[in-house]
Amino acid sequence: EDKVVQSPLSLVVHEGDTVTLNCSYEVTNFRSLLWYKQEKKAPTFLFMLTSSGIEKKSGRLSSILDKKELFSILNITATQTGDSAIYLCAVEAHSGNTPLVFGKGTRLSVIA
Amino acid sequence: GAVVSQHPSRVICKSGTSVKIECRSLDFQATTMFWYRQFPKQSLMLMATSNEGSKATYEQGVEKDKFLINHASLTLSTLTVTSAHPEDSSFYICSARDLQKLAGTRTGELFFGEGSRLTVL
Repeated sequence: EDKVVQSPLSLVVHEGDTVTLNCSYEVTNFRSLLWYKQEKKAPTFLFMLTSSGIEKKSGRLSSILDKKELFSILNITATQTGDSAIYLCAVEAHSGNTPLVFGKGTRLSVIA
Repeated sequence: GAVVSQHPSRVICKSGTSVKIECRSLDFQATTMFWYRQFPKQSLMLMATSNEGSKATYEQGVEKDKFLINHASLTLSTLTVTSAHPEDSSFYICSARDLQKLAGTRTGELFFGEGSRLTVL
């Protein structure tokens, strides 16, 4: 059974801190790993990772995948209160039109 | 870009009534749509895969007679929660993939609807 495990489940930091969120996975026929940010409604897409060792970056957020060790990390530098959200990691298996398998998420709270 | 629209965004109903949630792909055709459910402080759990013109496939533990899925066209899938009870209160989200973007690429982008928050009193 495909599985995605995120850690920590929750995290409280102060503004300006740097955080690292972890995601490990077990999936048959891995295709991609995705990170999403969820606030009050549907998740919003952050990154899709398919290759090991290539960092993807968007502003203060960055992510990298290790396909040998089966994990990914999401880094957020200089955190702001607006970064407070649930960060979801998901994997896509096989090819074609398949659903995503999500981890439980990391609830990040950034306090001023 | 491609968008998936979900309606209603919020619904409150009495126990025992049925509620229908619609999911539309606005500028692409979706032969398959995925329905997820998210309980408070938990992750998105796949409930079922909706297939245009055929029966939906349900995940283990999801009652197909309670969560009726109809995918009558290439742009519309509906989820009906029948005889809703308070334990059905949850956030329901649909998603679909633009297969034209999928063709020729390793993965096509998966779009999510805005979600529907159901509260059963």
